[in-house]
Amino acid sequence: DGGITQSPKYLFRKEGQNVTLSCEQNLNHDAMYWYRQDPGQGLRLIYYSQIVNDFQKGDIAEGYSVSREKKESFPLTVTSAQKNPTAFYLCASSISGHSYNEQFFGPGTRLTVL
Amino acid sequence: DQQVKQNSPSLSVQEGRISILNCDYTNSMFDYFLWYKKYPAEGPTFLISISSIKDKNEDGRFTVFLNKSAKHLSLHIVPSQPGDSAVYFCAASAPRGAQKLVFGQGTRLTINP
Repeated sequence: DGGITQSPKYLFRKEGQNVTLSCEQNLNHDAMYWYRQDPGQGLRLIYYSQIVNDFQKGDIAEGYSVSREKKESFPLTVTSAQKNPTAFYLCASSISGHSYNEQFFGPGTRLTVL
Repeated sequence: DQQVKQNSPSLSVQEGRISILNCDYTNSMFDYFLWYKKYPAEGPTFLISISSIKDKNEDGRFTVFLNKSAKHLSLHIVPSQPGDSAVYFCAASAPRGAQKLVFGQGTRLTINP
């Protein structure tokens, strides 16, 4: 089955630690995205990547880093510089180069900082 | 600056009646609009979309209306079913940022039996 997987579903981190969230897709999509959702708010874009080895900052990139070494994978690292990292993180992908952009989402990872 | 706004945090509708969810936007460059449905602790799933060259798009029980002059779109669900209870997000994109979606805050829809 084609889709997007995120792991782990729940993640706990101590303050001051970096943590990496996994995102894998087998849809053969070129573009991948990371969003953050906080209670009562919409999804806010952290980083996105249109092709392998290239990525751009979204609206709230501070305290986060990404890599795109493979088409299928787009891991997100939440660093200790992120002031308020507790949130629900969503990864998405879409066919790049298409102006009408439907994004497919993974199930999400809930990160809690203790 | 909230470019996409859903001013109703919640909506309660009786089963079988029509549900109308609203969304307003401020960026006149937006030319493609989408609605997503989200259950708790899951990722959003795509429902329906509309491009700015149309004013209506229909898919089964779901219809999206776009009023470009008012910068307003709405999602109609008829008839509403209990499984429609979820949070609904509208999203928009502009040609130059074709790979970036801007999301509203979401509206929690509850369908009462």
